[in-house]
Amino acid sequence: GAVVSQHPSWVICKSGTSVKIECRSLDFQATTMFWYRQFPKQSLMLMATSNEGSKATYEQGVEKDKFLINHASLTLSTLTVTSAHPEDSSFYICSARGTGTASGAQYFGPGTRLLVL
Amino acid sequence: AQSVTQPDIHITVSEGASLELRCNYSYGATPYLFWYVQSPGQGLQLLLKYFSGDTLVQGIKGFEAEFKRSQSSFNLRKPSVHWSDAAEYFCATTDSWGKLQFGAGTQVVVTP
Repeated sequence: GAVVSQHPSWVICKSGTSVKIECRSLDFQATTMFWYRQFPKQSLMLMATSNEGSKATYEQGVEKDKFLINHASLTLSTLTVTSAHPEDSSFYICSARGTGTASGAQYFGPGTRLLVL
Repeated sequence: AQSVTQPDIHITVSEGASLELRCNYSYGATPYLFWYVQSPGQGLQLLLKYFSGDTLVQGIKGFEAEFKRSQSSFNLRKPSVHWSDAAEYFCATTDSWGKLQFGAGTQVVVTP
């Protein structure tokens, strides 16, 4: 149980294009999903918290107009990197937390590697 | 604010030997603590979690962790490591808003 998928697993795009990454909880309902970014040899950096049916909450320094997050259902959240540039190249990981207390465990997707040329 | 510290950036262990990864937390009340493992190019997998109750927590893949309030620690252990245990290990806690606060991670290398 508690499986989270991400699609695509990797993507290469040209500078200036937009890329959408999907995060799905396959066997549980996720009221809250999180989007992280990870640079090589570093820990995860939280970008935003997404609650189903409401606007995402972005961490300080994360541009909400650049990283659009939509959490339209209890099993799906999407992250769209708009007008991507080479500095947006990174490993993006989502996680999902099921219904229950706010301190419940988060289950992570396998990640999406983005390369912007 | 709630946080965790992993003092060891890198650990090398022989296959079959025991492994202990250190994690220290800073929080006045009982924290919610987690250990995650990340293989190269992969997402994070939850090994175990501690919320309350029994201070010795059993996880997947033969791992266990012990919550010690007196030492503010939540160390991860495995009696006998396998080559497949080579990975990055993250200790984490949740803050008041339920956001995970990760340690810097410990890279485990397993030698033959």
